[in-house]
Amino acid sequence: QKEVEQDPGPLSVPEGAIVSLNCTYSNSAFQYFMWYRQYSRKGPELLMYTYSSGNKEDGRFTAQVDKSSKYISLFIRDSQPSDSATYLCAMEETSGSRLTFGEGTQLTVNP
Amino acid sequence: NAGVTQTPKFQVLKTGQSMTLQCAQDMNHNSMYWYRQDPGMGLRLIYYSASEGTTDKGEVPNGYNVSRLNKREFSLRLESAAPSQTSVYFCASRDRGGHYGYTFGSGTRLTVV
Repeated sequence: QKEVEQDPGPLSVPEGAIVSLNCTYSNSAFQYFMWYRQYSRKGPELLMYTYSSGNKEDGRFTAQVDKSSKYISLFIRDSQPSDSATYLCAMEETSGSRLTFGEGTQLTVNP
Repeated sequence: NAGVTQTPKFQVLKTGQSMTLQCAQDMNHNSMYWYRQDPGMGLRLIYYSASEGTTDKGEVPNGYNVSRLNKREFSLRLESAAPSQTSVYFCASRDRGGHYGYTFGSGTRLTVV
């Protein structure tokens, strides 16, 4: 079983929709949680970063961490065609030296 | 622009040939990483270097070697390429001591025929 599970999709939504992307994990030592966005034929770029549990908001993006359920989410409000990309979750232990990534979810926002 | 630079961007190799993928960062980061990305497999860590002078194996190190040439540069070598090494390779870096995200390069698309 993978340490981090992420539904690969693909996910297709109309412009303006609220998008929910999710990851589950099995390692209770994970404390640092991130979301990356990867456009086609590009490298991943850091989108959101959170520590431990709680919510973090940045514009149309909200990251949520529920450590009791070992579940993290990324919400995109008022989705735009420019949000079409693959979204990868990543996480790390306090004592860790590298990130563990989910497989990535491919999102398409249709005009 | 500051960031992580990978060369080459594209490469086609014949089975058995060797090559070195180059990576350089200009952000004064201590840690550097090499990943491969394959459909359905996500990002898998090949090797990493937590600091200059150290290297460690990741999940899938077989068939690869690395060299941390100095603080800026971290190269990945395929000694005898195999079709199973056809992939997109990403280099990444970050500061040591902080659990922050990586900065990734734009990738090298390698095809082994």
